[in-house]
Amino acid sequence: AQTVTQSQPEMSVQEAETVTLSCTYDTSESDYYLFWYKQPPSRQMILVIRQEAYKQQNATENRFSVNFQKAAKSFSLKISDSQLGDAAMYFCASGGGADGLTFGKGTHLIIQP
Amino acid sequence: NAGVTQTPKFRVLKTGQSMTLLCAQDMNHEYMYWYRQDPGMGLRLIHYSVGEGTTAKGEVPDGYNVSRLKKQNFLLGLESAAPSQTSVYFCASSFLGVLANYGYTFGSGTRLTVV
Repeated sequence: AQTVTQSQPEMSVQEAETVTLSCTYDTSESDYYLFWYKQPPSRQMILVIRQEAYKQQNATENRFSVNFQKAAKSFSLKISDSQLGDAAMYFCASGGGADGLTFGKGTHLIIQP
Repeated sequence: NAGVTQTPKFRVLKTGQSMTLLCAQDMNHEYMYWYRQDPGMGLRLIHYSVGEGTTAKGEVPDGYNVSRLKKQNFLLGLESAAPSQTSVYFCASSFLGVLANYGYTFGSGTRLTVV
């Protein structure tokens, strides 16, 4: 069984600043992927970024980047130049097979103007 | 391109009533999933399917049944609704599963309230 832990129920950051959301996971899979999803008040689940576990290079998508520490089973999300539109719930997820993704409990990100 | 469509979007049920949630995808995806989302609990997997005619239990399957008679449709049934099943339900699909690095395409969710 996989577990995903997000230890920060809520985070707050000033607009234009940088914020890091933490995530740790545990898996017995040898090959797996890690994801960050964003859920705004509209409830829609939006893929932010993904990381293949076999790749050492950290994934980057514009203002979003990850710090992937495989040995520590850590997968944090850094948001640079925070914008009001970044305010949302963020879910970390891990998966390695047909039985789907395991999600963390989420971090509520607040952007202060 | 419709993607993943869930119907209905909202529903209120009385305890003991039954209902079926429909998930339809038009992307020819093999894998389909049903999750429930509760405050402070994230998304938890109820049931999933790796192809037409196949289903399997996830983390929280009790009180739910599923069917995948057609590749594009994945139905979630509640035979006798209970207040503990009040939740937001998400359907998701994937082309070849997580290892293909496609991730999920999510539906917009169904908010179900059982009174």
